[in-house]
Amino acid sequence: QKEVEQNSGPLSVPEGAIASLNCTYSDRGSQSFFWYRQYSGKSPELIMFIYSNGDKEDGRFTAQLNKASQYVSLLIRDSQPSDSATYLCAVGGDSWGKFQFGAGTQVVVTP
Amino acid sequence: ETGVTQSPTHLIKTRGQQVTLRCSSQSGHNTVSWYQQALGQGPQFIFQYYREEENGRGNFPPRFSGLQFPNYSSELNVNALELDDSALYLCASSQDDEQFFGPGTRLTVL
Repeated sequence: QKEVEQNSGPLSVPEGAIASLNCTYSDRGSQSFFWYRQYSGKSPELIMFIYSNGDKEDGRFTAQLNKASQYVSLLIRDSQPSDSATYLCAVGGDSWGKFQFGAGTQVVVTP
Repeated sequence: ETGVTQSPTHLIKTRGQQVTLRCSSQSGHNTVSWYQQALGQGPQFIFQYYREEENGRGNFPPRFSGLQFPNYSSELNVNALELDDSALYLCASSQDDEQFFGPGTRLTVL
């Protein structure tokens, strides 16, 4: 059974601090990795994706991928109350569009 | 806004009934995937349609079926509804591995 694991949280982060989210996956054949943000009662929205080992930065967000360790992370710098949401890690397999999601990590940014 | 639309927004059905959910994909996207998201869980892949053909299926029983039309819009049909089918049903359209979700349909089975 292919699995994607995330800490459920909640992860409490002071406003302005860095939030660090982790995700591990079991399928070594996974090729693409995505982070989605989901506000309560809403659908997931794509934050960023990463395909290659290393870091990828987009604004306040940085995704990190280590395929050898089967680990992907998301850093949120200068966290804002509007970042309070559930963050979903998604892993693409051998065919695009068929994602396996983790259960999500709830982030709470406190003023 | 992703350009992916779903209808209806909310739906209440009783156990044993059948339901049809609809999705219009983002312009230019020929692939539609359906997911089920139970409360507190991540989305679970149901199946995917590519150019009107089923292109992969997750661990869901045959009473979950679908269609994709020539304009790439799609339907999800669920027969013999069970209480555990209560969830948010998400449609996602994709191109080149980026996948964008619609707003979802909240299904409640009583």
